[in-house]
Amino acid sequence: DAKTTQPPSMDCAEGRAANLPCNHSTISGNEYVYWYRQIHSQGPQYIIHGLKNNETNEMASLIITEDRKSSTLILPHATLRDTAVYYCIARWGGSRLTFGEGTQLTVNP
Amino acid sequence: NAGVMQNPRHLVRRRGQEARLRCSPMKGHSHVYWYRQLPEEGLKFMVYLQKENIIDESGMPKERFSAEFPKEGPSILRIQQVVRGDSAAYFCASSPPGLSGPSTDTQYFGPGTRLTVL
Repeated sequence: DAKTTQPPSMDCAEGRAANLPCNHSTISGNEYVYWYRQIHSQGPQYIIHGLKNNETNEMASLIITEDRKSSTLILPHATLRDTAVYYCIARWGGSRLTFGEGTQLTVNP
Repeated sequence: NAGVMQNPRHLVRRRGQEARLRCSPMKGHSHVYWYRQLPEEGLKFMVYLQKENIIDESGMPKERFSAEFPKEGPSILRIQQVVRGDSAAYFCASSPPGLSGPSTDTQYFGPGTRLTVL
């Protein structure tokens, strides 16, 4: 799986959009970009994934650059409950998830 | 549709005892993954199983650890002769068979089992 790089921490004001970047410059053509988050010590929660097109669901939007070397997870209206560690993972189908350090997002009131 | 279920949620064992962790995948899921999270560390892959088959056990410690996913019943992660270093959170994830390609085999996690070895 391709290595991903994320900032260790970010802050966001409640109600504002949270934009979490991820670099995956060595991603291969058949690897998807997955995002998970872990709130405190709970089980990781799936957020969204994509291959090359932008994706949106009820939780977030995923913007993948045209060259696929980076992506951004967007939480449109962050709440205090969105405070968590966010993991960006490059993965081909059927394989394990390789978790890095992730980004600690803190949403402030 | 119930999510991934793990039990027990908390397990306390003394050194030398056996620990059995159970994972019931989501309905319709036939693939199970186990991950371990040591205190203050990230999640690490341990093993990937399909019904009655171990597909990838490259993350499993060589000794004392084993996993199974029988035709009927939950997946079991078994740790024999536990030591203090086994204290961790153990997470199970399940995914459906990727019948439509890799886009459909998203892994969904359970709440985890917190193992404490005294």
